[in-house]
Amino acid sequence: GAVVSQHPSWVICKSGTSVKIECRSLDFQATTMFWYRQFPKQSLMLMATSNEGSKATYEQGVEKDKFLINHASLTLSTLTVTSAHPEDSSFYICSASAGTGNTAEAFFGQGTRLTVV
Amino acid sequence: AQKITQTQPGMFVQEKEAVTLDCTYDTSDPSYGLFWYKQPSSGEMIFLIYQGSYDQQNATEGRYSLNFQKARKSANLVISASQLGDSAMYFCAMRDFGSARQLTFGSGTQLTVLP
Repeated sequence: GAVVSQHPSWVICKSGTSVKIECRSLDFQATTMFWYRQFPKQSLMLMATSNEGSKATYEQGVEKDKFLINHASLTLSTLTVTSAHPEDSSFYICSASAGTGNTAEAFFGQGTRLTVV
Repeated sequence: AQKITQTQPGMFVQEKEAVTLDCTYDTSDPSYGLFWYKQPSSGEMIFLIYQGSYDQQNATEGRYSLNFQKARKSANLVISASQLGDSAMYFCAMRDFGSARQLTFGSGTQLTVLP
C-alpha cells in the first residue's frame, strides 16, 4: 500500500532554534498533504493544509510565521517550527491521500515527537 | 461544521471478548466518509475501516466491523475476539465530501485488553 515517511521520528532542540520536519509520499504523488498536532492523550488537531506549488492554508489560531510549510514537490512537504519554545513540544504528524476521490484512504507518517528544552 | 464525538475516554475488555467503541457525528453534508484509526503507543496511525454515507451495508475488515446507523448518526467500531495487541488509542474520523479531504477526529478511546 501507499507509504508516507516522516523524518525525524523524534527531535530535541534548544529553545529559540528552528526545527524542520519532512513528510514524503514514497510511492504516490500527493498534491495535498496535511499537518496535524497532537498533545499527550488528546486528539489530532489539523494545523494546516499543504498544497504543492502554492501557499499552505492554516487553521484558525495557527501562526503561519511560526509554523512554516513548504510543499515544493509532489512528494515532499516540510514543516519548520521556527524559534521553538517549550510550549511547542508536541507530536506532529502528516498525512496524504493517494487518490483524488473522497473515499481515498489517508496515509499517515510515523509522526515526530518534538521536545523543546 | 463537522463534529465527531467519542464519549468513552477509556475502555477495558477481556482477551477474546468483543468490544464496541462508540462514535457519533454531526454534519450537514449528505455525503461523507467515516474512518476508524488505531494509534498504538508508538504514535503511528493505522487505518482500520471505512464507511461511506451511501454504503448500504456495514463495513467489515477481518475482526473489525462498523455498526453504521445513519439515522442516529453513529458509527460504532466493533472489535471481535480481542487480542492483547489491540490495546491502543482508537480514533473515529470523518471527511465530508465538500472538504479539502482533511479528516476531523474525535477525542479518542483508550482501549486496554486484559489477559
